[in-house]
Amino acid sequence: GQQVMQIPQYQHVQEGEDFTTYCNSSTTLSNIQWYKQRPGGHPVFLIQLVKSGEVKKQKRLTFQFGEAKKNSSLHITATQTTDVGTYFCAAEAGNNRKLIWGLGTSLAVNP
Amino acid sequence: ETGVTQTPRHLVMGMTNKKSLKCEQHLGHNAMYWYKQSAKKPLELMFVYNFKEQTENNSVPSRFSPECPNSSHLFLHLHTLQPEDSALYLCASSQDTGGSGRGTGELFFGEGSRLTVL
Repeated sequence: GQQVMQIPQYQHVQEGEDFTTYCNSSTTLSNIQWYKQRPGGHPVFLIQLVKSGEVKKQKRLTFQFGEAKKNSSLHITATQTTDVGTYFCAAEAGNNRKLIWGLGTSLAVNP
Repeated sequence: ETGVTQTPRHLVMGMTNKKSLKCEQHLGHNAMYWYKQSAKKPLELMFVYNFKEQTENNSVPSRFSPECPNSSHLFLHLHTLQPEDSALYLCASSQDTGGSGRGTGELFFGEGSRLTVL
């Protein structure tokens, strides 16, 4: 079935360093969502991207949707300890309104 | 406070027990979902209800039985589970399941029910 590949699986950074996670698909996506799950918590919606080449920013977070709508990225500038958690992408493809989830990228931030 | 409340938060049961997970949403949404979250696996969609009607059953074993009495409440009845069913069960809601090219939209998750099957 359709898959969304998310890399890396884990990332350790020093506080203040930047962080990026990527989601890639072999098929064209209708839209892609990003969620954050803190340790012991539940996924919390961050953003949805719909348009080709779309870029959205939320404070230190920058989200991009590729021109071909087959990949997306989440970039965090100057990480803080509050950024710790697992970041998931979830995408819909074609007329299938079923969200396909990536495995997530677990971010650890050393103070 | 997410607007989606799940009980119990933790549940330990034997393989012969019968138990139920409950989910309630206070957001006025029309779609509700059950997801299973296991380590090293993507979130697995189990069931979807839209306007109280089940629209998705993702090949879930019959030992899991959903019930949606109204748009605000969703249950997952469990019986004769296996140890591999131990996981975090997440309930979510959304405005609806989308349509006319419009996607599902934002999912609001509950805090989850951590299930351990002995």
